[in-house]
Amino acid sequence: NAGVTQTPKFQVLKTGQSMTLQCAQDMNHEYMSWYRQDPGMGLRLIHYSVGAGITDQGEVPNGYNVSRSTTEDFPLRLLSAAPSQTSVYFCASSYSRDSTYEQYFGPGTRLTVT
Amino acid sequence: KNQVEQSPQSLIILEGKNCTLQCNYTVSPFSNLRWYKQDTGRGPVSLTIMTFSENTKSNGRYTATLDADTKQSSLHITASQLSDSASYICVVSAYGTASKLTFGTGTRLQVTL
Repeated sequence: NAGVTQTPKFQVLKTGQSMTLQCAQDMNHEYMSWYRQDPGMGLRLIHYSVGAGITDQGEVPNGYNVSRSTTEDFPLRLLSAAPSQTSVYFCASSYSRDSTYEQYFGPGTRLTVT
Repeated sequence: KNQVEQSPQSLIILEGKNCTLQCNYTVSPFSNLRWYKQDTGRGPVSLTIMTFSENTKSNGRYTATLDADTKQSSLHITASQLSDSASYICVVSAYGTASKLTFGTGTRLQVTL
């Protein structure tokens, strides 16, 4: 199993550009989520999904869109990049949204917006 | 507001020595507490998870303790190795908010020769 994979590993965008961060898991997990990690702050939840076709907002959803058309994939779209979105983005998956289940994190995407 | 605070912010120890990292939380009602290890440039990896009824849990040289009364947890690393150099993140979950975990900012540990 590859676990949780993310692409790209690094990305530089100009303000106003759009892009999609890819996330895939091969563990047949129902629950997937996106976090951002900024210096001096804990990981913050952007969006999450409890299954194909079901998504919901997390703590910091503004400027981001998600969709979940399959169990395996959960892409994160930046509609119009802003310097405040410079961060490291982590995708995670879990068997269930029940927090007692293990969450598996991807390797991250480091995004810089100039 | 749910909060998780970790101390120290950073720590440098010699290889072979022990160390203890601290986590205080105000998350309520408490469901479980996890410790994650995050190597530089990598995603967090779970070390332990403890529920209300558990007050200690080990994973190799890592031992986590939980005092739900004082809302404190610690992570003790025994006989440290260079590969222990990483950030250690405390994460707390509350009942009824399964979609949201409260993350601490982490303790950056450096193990040197």
